Amino acid sequence: DQQVKQNSPSLSVQEGRISILNCDYTNSMFDYFLWYKKYPAEGPTFLISISSIKDKNEDGRFTVFLNKSAKHLSLHIVPSQPGDSAVYFCAASVGVRALYQETSGSRLTFGEGTQLTVNP
Amino acid sequence: SAVISQKPSRDICQRGTSLTIQCQVDSQVTMMFWYRQQPGQSLTLIATANQGSEATYESGFVIDKFPISRPNLTFSTLTVSNMSPEDSSIYLCSVDRGALDTQYFGPGTRLTVL
Repeated sequence: DQQVKQNSPSLSVQEGRISILNCDYTNSMFDYFLWYKKYPAEGPTFLISISSIKDKNEDGRFTVFLNKSAKHLSLHIVPSQPGDSAVYFCAASVGVRALYQETSGSRLTFGEGTQLTVNP
Repeated sequence: SAVISQKPSRDICQRGTSLTIQCQVDSQVTMMFWYRQQPGQSLTLIATANQGSEATYESGFVIDKFPISRPNLTFSTLTVSNMSPEDSSIYLCSVDRGALDTQYFGPGTRLTVL
């Protein structure tokens, strides 16, 4: 049961244009969402996150949009740069604050990843 | 953020043997996690390691196969026991600094079982 899905295994865009990476989830209990970037031979690097009480969060070139009714989130990168080429994972967690206090920790559920290639 | 190192970075092992992976963090953290990324797949949580208590395993993972130690707040080990080729994966540790549920990952250990 894949609770977090990234339906596009790959995406190719031109440098300077917008990259849009999509993610869908099925578990309505998820209330915190994160995007990670992963280069080969490295661990995932945290990019940006959003709480379910918001519908948008922006950090420089990166913006994450959350549509709770559609159980969909997206990551926009603008302008895209060749150095953005990597695998992007979305992740989700449930009831973070409550779980954390109960020492369950913040168990993340990841999507399958999307390989982004930004061409010069 | 947190600086996380893992040893070894990669290894090739024979079927039936065991490998212990170390994870070191540059500061004290409450929660440490171990993930697995099988070839072409997503990251899957194996277990949560708390200092001073037994690890909490996710469905499909058991302590006999993946024993975990957490002797202090900056260090943890994951052992992959009695390995088979199906255990060939990247194993990653991560830490939770408690700031809005952001986890930071180590560089990973690439394991190949022959």
